[in-house]
Amino acid sequence: DAGVIQSPRHEVTEMGQEVTLRCKPISGHDYLFWYRQTMMRGLELLIYFNNNVPIDDSGMPEDRFSAKMPNASFSTLKIQPSEPRDSAVYFCASSLDWTLNEKLFFGSGTQLSVL
Amino acid sequence: QKEVEQDPGPLSVPEGAIVSLNCTYSNSAFQYFMWYRQYSRKGPELLMYTYSSGNKEDGRFTAQVDKSSKYISLFIRDSQPSDSATYLCAMSGSTGNQFYFGTGTSLTVIP
Repeated sequence: DAGVIQSPRHEVTEMGQEVTLRCKPISGHDYLFWYRQTMMRGLELLIYFNNNVPIDDSGMPEDRFSAKMPNASFSTLKIQPSEPRDSAVYFCASSLDWTLNEKLFFGSGTQLSVL
Repeated sequence: QKEVEQDPGPLSVPEGAIVSLNCTYSNSAFQYFMWYRQYSRKGPELLMYTYSSGNKEDGRFTAQVDKSSKYISLFIRDSQPSDSATYLCAMSGSTGNQFYFGTGTSLTVIP
């Protein structure tokens, strides 16, 4: 398996623009997570899905952030409108089963810069 | 207070040195403790995990958990340049609960 695939790898946009980040989890994994990483706050969980259903979105910072998982092989994280403070690395991760909660596989991330 | 505290470093050691990385935490309900390694421009990858207190060894790596002190450590023996990365600790209260990550310690092993 190719692992968790994220696109784009880098995104540079201007304040106010809409940004869409994409993720393809590992096939067969039932859990999908979106994390944000910054120097100051480290890795923060934004939202996670189980079998395509959002379970906990309490980490989503504001209504400007939304996430969807229309099927088992694809998820998006959208920011609209984007702001400079959204600049961070956004990671998608997937796991087979959260009873084996240490088995979290991360993608390579999307480096987002909002100017 | 953050759930998990980790010294960001950076830490720079000569090849062959013993490295000690540490995290402290505040939530006594944490039972699962993990160490992730993150290379530059890559996602974190699981290095080791332990459940509850005690030690766990895997090759050159040893993870220690002291729940009484709310303190966990990762030791790297005979460090290699390939160990140069950021190391993140993570912990969880139980299966199905979210992980809490430290901010990571940047390690450079100099040949």
